Amino acid sequence: DAGITQSPRHKVTETGTPVTLRCHQTENHRYMYWYRQDPGHGLRLIHYSYGVKDTDKGEVSDGYSVSRSKTEDFLLTLESATSSQTSVYFCAIMLAGGSEQFFGPGTRLTVL
Amino acid sequence: DAKTTQPNSMESNEEEPVHLPCNHSTISGTDYIHWYRQLPSQGPEYVIHGLTSNVNNRMASLAIAEDRKSSTLILHRATLRDAAVYYCILTPRGSGGSNYKLTFGKGTLLTVNP
Repeated sequence: DAGITQSPRHKVTETGTPVTLRCHQTENHRYMYWYRQDPGHGLRLIHYSYGVKDTDKGEVSDGYSVSRSKTEDFLLTLESATSSQTSVYFCAIMLAGGSEQFFGPGTRLTVL
Repeated sequence: DAKTTQPNSMESNEEEPVHLPCNHSTISGTDYIHWYRQLPSQGPEYVIHGLTSNVNNRMASLAIAEDRKSSTLILHRATLRDAAVYYCILTPRGSGGSNYKLTFGKGTLLTVNP
């Protein structure tokens, strides 16, 4: 299963609090991605990383920051969570060969 | 980015073939056609991809029109486990993951009847 985990799997927080989601992989893949999925919609890319300390924005990056200090961990931070950031967040890695992304199990975040 | 058009929903019976269409009339010559699916309460999973020729793997077949403006994902014998949202996505050919950013539409919700 490409050794990808997300933590926490569920989180409820209050508006204005900081939140960090973690994506961890065990197979040394270079490319990692964060997506969000809202009801009735497909996934939308938030940020992605193409190496340690190398990241770039996706289509819905406002209100989010990321960090990648180690190959295996890609962190997504909501500096001050808002109700509009209530969503399911998926992490993904690009498998060797560059033709397939493998997705984690998702984190369900609720901002009250 | 080139766009894809898929029916909102389709229905099939178990053990029958399913043909899921995708239109991509503005596809460029360097765009790959990818299919992913998302089972209920799970993350998306890769199904198949192709460029010009038809492709087969253990999960499905991909039939690509000669002008590449449309494609069809074929599930040869649908099972209940194939009930999912199927996404048809174009990705540019290029080097590295910076060119491999998936843009998901709403996909096709496939219902499989027992």
